[in-house]
Amino acid sequence: DAKTTQPTSMDCAEGRAANLPCNHSTISGNEYVYWYRQIHSQGPQYIIHGLKNNETNEMASLIITEDRKSSTLILPHATLRDTAVYYCIVRVAYTDKLIFGTGTRLQVFP
Amino acid sequence: DAGVIQSPRHEVTEMGQEVTLRCKPISGHDYLFWYRQTMMRGLELLIYFNNNVPIDDSGMPEDRFSAKMPNASFSTLKIQPSEPRDSAVYFCASSTLRDRGNEQFFGPGTRLTVL
Repeated sequence: DAKTTQPTSMDCAEGRAANLPCNHSTISGNEYVYWYRQIHSQGPQYIIHGLKNNETNEMASLIITEDRKSSTLILPHATLRDTAVYYCIVRVAYTDKLIFGTGTRLQVFP
Repeated sequence: DAGVIQSPRHEVTEMGQEVTLRCKPISGHDYLFWYRQTMMRGLELLIYFNNNVPIDDSGMPEDRFSAKMPNASFSTLKIQPSEPRDSAVYFCASSTLRDRGNEQFFGPGTRLTVL
């Protein structure tokens, strides 16, 4: 079973920051948080991952709360091409398994 | 690199027929994953390999499904006999621990329809 809870859908205006929340209240100390996205009909695409510290790369920023029970993915300047389903995933400890949940459908509008 | 290659991209077959899906991982990757995606169940991990050895097949739905990885550059997922409920998009992904915490690169998927 997926160990994360995400809103079903969100909207964001083009050019604005998109903040996608994720709850993972049962996360263990050695489990990583991963974010992937899936643009319609394509295979999922890796965005970012983290353990405790906030992370940033060319695509997004990941903010993890101090208690690690939740996180937020930030797309700083959303574009129409960012319209996709975004999956927040907790990687199962001591394995390479990613258990995908239902994700958040992000719609970026002009 | 061409990325993960899957074939065929689309497969339509009749119930009871054998179906074989193929995957070529990214060169140098030592992990390979098979997923299935449906509207009802979302994206499910079926099985994954490390260095051509199956590590976890707990997601394989039943004995009708089998997966092999005879070498580092090729894997198959076979369904025999196929049933209409097997209709789904099947994704293959590959990764290596050397890349950004084992980031998985997904192929374009095979859309399977069993009539």
